[in-house]
Amino acid sequence: QSALTQPASVSGSPGQSITISCTGTSSDVGGYNYVSWYQQHPGKAPKLMIYEVSNRPSGVPDRFSGSKSGNTASLTISGLQAEDEADYYCSSYTSSSLVFGGGTKLTVL
Amino acid sequence: QVQLVQSGAEVKKPGASVKVSCKASGYTFTSYDINWVRQATGQGLEWMGWMNPNSGNTGYAQKFQGRVTMTRNTSISTAYMELSSLRSEDTAVYYCARGSSSFSYWGQGTLVTVSS
Repeated sequence: QSALTQPASVSGSPGQSITISCTGTSSDVGGYNYVSWYQQHPGKAPKLMIYEVSNRPSGVPDRFSGSKSGNTASLTISGLQAEDEADYYCSSYTSSSLVFGGGTKLTVL
Repeated sequence: QVQLVQSGAEVKKPGASVKVSCKASGYTFTSYDINWVRQATGQGLEWMGWMNPNSGNTGYAQKFQGRVTMTRNTSISTAYMELSSLRSEDTAVYYCARGSSSFSYWGQGTLVTVSS
């Protein structure tokens, strides 16, 4: 199972919005509404930010939103804040297994 | 509160096996799947497989088939991941995580170093 494709890095200034894409195939992202997004700060365990494409767990700010179109899912962060600087990973369910994206480093300028 | 507490760091020689534990608390252990995810230094997340603590059923990523075994001891709410025939490329932080298609709770991670 190949990893989902994410941009290696994105950046934005405080207050701006950024979008991270996650491209798969019809066998994973396009075939199921089980796309999740994780935030990971250095030396820490990942934190779930979005599940089932667009749902936010309790406690996650509504600045974080998710969507999907075809084989590509997206994570949008609006009103960027310094603490949003981290690595972000998407994942998708795919026929009895799970696959992650390669990760995107978000830099807040 | 839900907690997943993993065993400590390990150093193993190539060809050996390692067994990492993940002790759950704050919820009914048998009600949620446990998954294992690893991350080599500076690299991304890699899903290894899942286990249903109630039935003991497992599913492994193709890459690890034949080398990984996931088990549990329900009496002490603990899940285990054993990886055999270790090689240097297996050096990574190994995480347990609760859930099926998304993981809302993670262990703190266990560093496994494979070195001669």
